[in-house]
Amino acid sequence: QITLKESGRTLVKPTQTLTLTCTFSGFSLTTSGVGVAWIRQPPGKALEWLALIFWDGDKRYSSSLESRLTITEDTSKNQVFLTMTNMDPVDTGTYYCAHHTVYPLANGFDIWGQGTTVIVSS
Amino acid sequence: DIVMTQSPDSLAVSLGERATINCMSSQSLLYNSNNKNNLAWYQQKPGQPPKLLIYWASTRDSGVPDRFSGSGSGTDFTLTISTLQAEDVAVYYCQQYYSTPYTFGQGTKLEIK
Repeated sequence: QITLKESGRTLVKPTQTLTLTCTFSGFSLTTSGVGVAWIRQPPGKALEWLALIFWDGDKRYSSSLESRLTITEDTSKNQVFLTMTNMDPVDTGTYYCAHHTVYPLANGFDIWGQGTTVIVSS
Repeated sequence: DIVMTQSPDSLAVSLGERATINCMSSQSLLYNSNNKNNLAWYQQKPGQPPKLLIYWASTRDSGVPDRFSGSGSGTDFTLTISTLQAEDVAVYYCQQYYSTPYTFGQGTKLEIK
């Protein structure tokens, strides 16, 4: 059974750096075809894909946020991290991590964490 | 970036009736190598994470009721709920995973009439 759980600071001040952790179980990020993604959702708004790390270390980012994002992994601890710099109140929202495969089955984000709420305020 | 546009933004349907949500992508999502469209549909209820309903445009994920179906190819896709149940009230999103950056539609809010 695959599970993912997000954790990190709930309240950050503008201009600070946010680091979130996704701790997962039931799969390995060293397995070919596997990835872990980060997605966020401002209150009452749509989902926004942020970043993705693949089993081979390939990393992909949102075009609009790429300069502020860094995704990394610790495969020994089954964790993926997302760092976002220069936080602003518009970055307030729920941040999710999700399991993704590209082969043998390319199925989108099949398992999601419950999400962690981040509030950016002075 | 591939732009995903859903229509309508909101929809009210009577219980037992059919609900149809459309999604259009700014470029084709069809992989010629396997004839699959990398398009997914998600359902999100208040206070919950999204749930995968459909992938490859028309394949139901495990455990998803068969009243949910997906269709379409290339740039035009549809999610259909054949007979609306009360528990289907939610926001529905399409998403392309054809190429990064992956992108979502703006969402369609489905309510009971």
